[in-house]
Amino acid sequence: SAVISQKPSRDICQRGTSLTIQCQVDSQVTMMFWYRQQPGQSLTLIATANQGSEATYESGFVIDKFPISRPNLTFSTLTVSNMSPEDSSIYLCSVEANRVWTEAFFGQGTRLTVV
Amino acid sequence: DQQVKQNSPSLSVQEGRISILNCDYTNSMFDYFLWYKKYPAEGPTFLISISSIKDKNEDGRFTVFLNKSAKHLSLHIVPSQPGDSAVYFCAASALAGGTSYGKLTFGQGTILTVHP
Repeated sequence: SAVISQKPSRDICQRGTSLTIQCQVDSQVTMMFWYRQQPGQSLTLIATANQGSEATYESGFVIDKFPISRPNLTFSTLTVSNMSPEDSSIYLCSVEANRVWTEAFFGQGTRLTVV
Repeated sequence: DQQVKQNSPSLSVQEGRISILNCDYTNSMFDYFLWYKKYPAEGPTFLISISSIKDKNEDGRFTVFLNKSAKHLSLHIVPSQPGDSAVYFCAASALAGGTSYGKLTFGQGTILTVHP
């Protein structure tokens, strides 16, 4: 399995500011994913991040609001830009490795509160 | 459009008894299904999965059943233990088209409480 570390684990931010969430994996992985879990809701995929290419965003999510970087095979960042209280959620990083594993592994999540 | 639904927000079970968590899906392209367990302040942890070519998969105390015609799957935990108390998420993927295992559609989750 993969060990995934996310930073920060939680933060309280002012509206209008931006927060960058880091995701570090202990092994090289092909694909990394960013999910959001709004309060009382299911996990929703924001985007898929492959190394060396632009992230692919799901319907309802745009690059200007959630820019993603994937500089190498073990690291990715998600930025939540120009935050509003509606962005208060848990943001989760997950990975899948070349179909070696048949399931995705998740980081512990970043709990974001926007005030 | 909720493609994966867990209609029971919560379930309470006595220790030693069976826990049955249910999940329905609407997208007929889904061909791989997973259950994840989530504790507060932690990320989801993979429990068990099943491919659409099977109707049952067992792993220790956990069994997943898939009824493709009804677009329904269930997770059975026998016997239930207090440490099983957590939120359980059903998830689905459409792998046949080359989709990654990591691109998942989740249900809303069911809070399982196992009483000693």
